[in-house]
Amino acid sequence: EVQLVESGGGLVQPGRSLRLSCSTSGFTFGDYAMNWVRQAPGKGLEWVGFIRIKANGGTTEYAASVKGRFIISRDDSKSIAYLQMNSLKTEDTALYYCSYRTGQFDYWGQGTMVTVSS
Amino acid sequence: SYELTQPPSVSVSPGQTARITCSGDALPKKYAYWYQQKSGQGPVLVIYEDNKRPSGIPERFSGSSSGTMATLTISGAQVEDEGDYYCYSTDSNGIQRVFGGGTKLTVL
Repeated sequence: EVQLVESGGGLVQPGRSLRLSCSTSGFTFGDYAMNWVRQAPGKGLEWVGFIRIKANGGTTEYAASVKGRFIISRDDSKSIAYLQMNSLKTEDTALYYCSYRTGQFDYWGQGTMVTVSS
Repeated sequence: SYELTQPPSVSVSPGQTARITCSGDALPKKYAYWYQQKSGQGPVLVIYEDNKRPSGIPERFSGSSSGTMATLTISGAQVEDEGDYYCYSTDSNGIQRVFGGGTKLTVL
């Protein structure tokens, strides 16, 4: 059974950093690009970024709203994806999901809440 | 940055056909995906690659794409189909992903 479990969320002050983890099981993690998506309270889904598989360079792409502040990485040996969030702003307050998709199969975690507030 | 445009809301009576549109300049070249999100739940993929339906998704859900517009059609909408629907695609370079703003479907 495929499982994705996000962790690391919490309350953080503006300007500080936080690292989220996406722990996975049930599939060959290294074979799939991993996405991060967020949803602010009462708002729509927003794509944050993704990381390619190592065979495709393991490179990353980001939404303009987080580029230069957020960094996505992966540890294939542990089947974990990370989202390092720096210089956090109040508008980064959201439920953060990790996900991956292969064809018709689309998997999401339950999300981890990040609240940026003084 | 690339944007996908959806109507904020669509309302139909039970049994009627609901159509939700998604407009984007790259849609002639890039696939559209559709997600359903019910209140308090995570997103569920209901259409992928413009018009394919994942297993387990009812046949009343269908998708199409023509030019710069993709459409999600729910034929014979039911009360349990209420929720928010999001289209998802990529820019013309296939790099930036984006969700539409979401459409709230009301069936009553």
